[in-house]
Amino acid sequence: DTAVSQTPKYLVTQMGNDKSIKCEQNLGHDTMYWYKQDSKKFLKIMFSYNNKELIINETVPNRFSPKSPDKAHLNLHINSLELGDSAVYFCASSQDRGASGANVLTFGAGSRLTVL
Amino acid sequence: TQLLEQSPQFLSIQEGENLTVYCNSSSVFSSLQWYRQEPGEGPVLLVTVVTGGEVKKLKRLTFQFGDARKDSSLHITAAQPGDTGLYLCAGVQIGSQGNLIFGKGTKLSVKP
Repeated sequence: DTAVSQTPKYLVTQMGNDKSIKCEQNLGHDTMYWYKQDSKKFLKIMFSYNNKELIINETVPNRFSPKSPDKAHLNLHINSLELGDSAVYFCASSQDRGASGANVLTFGAGSRLTVL
Repeated sequence: TQLLEQSPQFLSIQEGENLTVYCNSSSVFSSLQWYRQEPGEGPVLLVTVVTGGEVKKLKRLTFQFGDARKDSSLHITAAQPGDTGLYLCAGVQIGSQGNLIFGKGTKLSVKP
């Protein structure tokens, strides 16, 4: 059983379209995340979310919105896709922070989005 | 500016060689983590270091957290082709909301 699964793995679409990427975790974790990895492999956090709080990276355009139907799911919805949105998007989850403040993240395999 | 600077960016070595990868910052971190990412997969946690000066060993990999908790290093002894991958350091900055911030990674290639 995959701990963090995301679909689709590959997504090719036209500029201006709206698309969603789904993520599910079966680890019973309380917090889920979306990261964007660009062509230079830089992983940048977009959102972190648990049932109490959504934390948004201020650099993320409001065309991106996370939607969480329940604790095990955090989907990423993107409106009006642009060329610069092409990247690999990773979902991750973690238990709430331990006493040390260290979040241990379990990542999904990534969803490669290509905007033409 | 990049909060966590990793060096070198690329490293290509022969099997059996030793190597060290560095992760540096001017900020203090409550903890630092190292992940390895293989093509087509997500990053996988290798280790978490929490205490300044801490050293952790994972088989041929040795991780060290700087005394001031601003830097970390990863040393691999007798590298093998299976060590090939992207090595990412990530940290939780003191006083932050607790989200992990990643460095840009070191891409390691170990040739047989």
